[in-house]
Amino acid sequence: AQSVTQLGSHVSVSEGALVLLRCNYSSSVPPYLFWYVQYPNQGLQLLLKYTTGATLVKGINGFEAEFKKSETSFHLTKPSAHMSDAAEYFCAVRLTPGVGNEKLTFGTGTRLTIIP
Amino acid sequence: GAVVSQHPSRVICKSGTSVKIECRSLDFQATTMFWYRQFPKQSLMLMATSNEGSKATYEQGVEKDKFLINHASLTLSTLTVTSAHPEDSSFYICSARRLARETQYFGPGTRLLVL
Repeated sequence: AQSVTQLGSHVSVSEGALVLLRCNYSSSVPPYLFWYVQYPNQGLQLLLKYTTGATLVKGINGFEAEFKKSETSFHLTKPSAHMSDAAEYFCAVRLTPGVGNEKLTFGTGTRLTIIP
Repeated sequence: GAVVSQHPSRVICKSGTSVKIECRSLDFQATTMFWYRQFPKQSLMLMATSNEGSKATYEQGVEKDKFLINHASLTLSTLTVTSAHPEDSSFYICSARRLARETQYFGPGTRLLVL
């Protein structure tokens, strides 16, 4: 079974400051890892994903995340926060295809607030 | 990119009635669709997984007779909440995927309020 822990249910950063949202995972086999963003009353939009290959993954809107197997982490970062980044962010994990379990398991989410 | 739509976006119904929510993949054929439920300020909880042409697989604790899922075509899945009660009020989100190796694409969600 796999699980995801997002440290910090609320994160506030000033506009222009670094954004760091933390995600740690637990998986019995190499995982696929995802970050999704959710704006109020909307569905989820994929920011980026890690499957195989390069451990530093770049996504949309200037976000990136690094897969660190030794730390079982997949933290999301953005060098300079923008007001439009205010939203709920979810980290998710699934097992690699073919292993059997196709389900996405989500973390509890982190609400990002941008301070003008 | 892959687009998934949901209809309706918002529905209010009386207790005891049934409500049908549609999930459509607009520009790709979805062999698998997923239905999630999200309570306020909480994460998404998977309710069921449906593969086109076969019965849905429900997660533990989800009543299959209450939440009827039909995936009759490669572009449409429906979730019917039968005999809705106020505790069924929630945000329901679907997602769709072409193949097992690919990403799930999420719909915009349907907010259900049962009075």
